[in-house]
Amino acid sequence: GAVVSQHPSWVICKSGTSVKIECRSLDFQATTMFWYRQFPKQSLMLMATSNEGSKATYEQGVEKDKFLINHASLTLSTLTVTSAHPEDSSFYICSANPIAGPPGQTQYFGPGTRLLVL
Amino acid sequence: GENVEQHPSTLSVQEGDNSIINCAYSNSASDYFIWYKQESGKGPQFIIDIRSNVGEKKDQRIAVTLNKTAKHFSLHITETQPEDSAVYFCAASSSGGGADGLTFGKGTHLIIQP
Repeated sequence: GAVVSQHPSWVICKSGTSVKIECRSLDFQATTMFWYRQFPKQSLMLMATSNEGSKATYEQGVEKDKFLINHASLTLSTLTVTSAHPEDSSFYICSANPIAGPPGQTQYFGPGTRLLVL
Repeated sequence: GENVEQHPSTLSVQEGDNSIINCAYSNSASDYFIWYKQESGKGPQFIIDIRSNVGEKKDQRIAVTLNKTAKHFSLHITETQPEDSAVYFCAASSSGGGADGLTFGKGTHLIIQP
């Protein structure tokens, strides 16, 4: 149980286009989902916290107009990278916090989405 | 905010030996600490966690120890096996891991020598 999926798993796009990444909790509901970014050989950096039905909270240095987050339901959050540029190429990973999960682990991570902007 | 320092960045051990990876955190309000394993091209895989009211937790070959006074926690892997080769990340949270995102260390590349 407690599976998080991401779609697509990888995407290649041209500079200037927008890319949407979906994060779904498959067998649980999550009021809070998180988006992280990981550059090659680096750690995961929190980009934003996404709460169902409200605006996302962005970390310092993350442009909210460039990285649009929508959390329309308790099982789906989307991240849209608008007007993508080569420097946006990265591994984007989401995690979800179950409303009522088993004791212990509180965030479940997705498999990540590899974005390459040409 | 929170800052998590992780050491070493690379650890090479012989198969069958024990491994220890260390993390130091800065925020005394942090109350939840987690270790993840990440293989190339994949998302982080939960290994073990510990809360601030506990000093040690074990799960088969894996253990985590926490020293709140020193603001330090460690991952212990006993009898390392080839499948343990990966990058390991520690993470800390000041909200029990729920409401706030996690702050990650920079990672340790664990290499198991045959």
